Amino acid sequence: SAVISQKPSRDICQRGTSLTIQCQVDSQVTMMFWYRQQPGQSLTLIATANQGSEATYESGFVIDKFPISRPNLTFSTLTVSNMSPEDSSIYLCSVLRDSREKLFFGSGTQLSVL
Amino acid sequence: GQQLNQSPQSMFIQEGEDVSMNCTSSSIFNTWLWYKQDPGEGPVLLIALYKAGELTSNGRLTAQFGITRKDSFLNISASIPSDVGIYFCAGPGGSQGNLIFGKGTKLSVKP
Repeated sequence: SAVISQKPSRDICQRGTSLTIQCQVDSQVTMMFWYRQQPGQSLTLIATANQGSEATYESGFVIDKFPISRPNLTFSTLTVSNMSPEDSSIYLCSVLRDSREKLFFGSGTQLSVL
Repeated sequence: GQQLNQSPQSMFIQEGEDVSMNCTSSSIFNTWLWYKQDPGEGPVLLIALYKAGELTSNGRLTAQFGITRKDSFLNISASIPSDVGIYFCAGPGGSQGNLIFGKGTKLSVKP
């Protein structure tokens, strides 16, 4: 498995502001990802955080709204920009530890937008 | 696109009872994964399955990879209060790291 630390664990934000979420992994990993879990819903992939290059976004997610950084193999950030109440969700960092599809998740960031 | 249908949506059981839940896919999967999510936490991987017909256990949990490769099952024997949570099935979504998740089965256990 992997030790994945995410912060903040929760936040309450005002409409129109931005929040940056940090993800720190206990050892180097090639693949890091950001998922969103809307209230009472399942998980949806936002993007793959690529080290040294721009993130790869899934359909429906754009860089201007969810800019991602990946400066090294153990750290990534996700920013939720110009927030609206519809952005209220749990945001989860995850890593792929071996090549057999096993994703491991951080404890998540519970975001509420007023 | 690919969809996973997970059932039941929720279960209320008595401590000590066995639990069964399942997941079906609209297309063939080569991998099935089962996760559990506790409130306020991220999903934790319980069992990974890689071969049709495979039966794998993790303590009181047993999961099976259906022979049609379009379904999987998770059983929990002799449930205890700490089994409470949401159980998700998941399968590959087309690119590495992109898992498609079912909508989850919410399990409640009465002591």
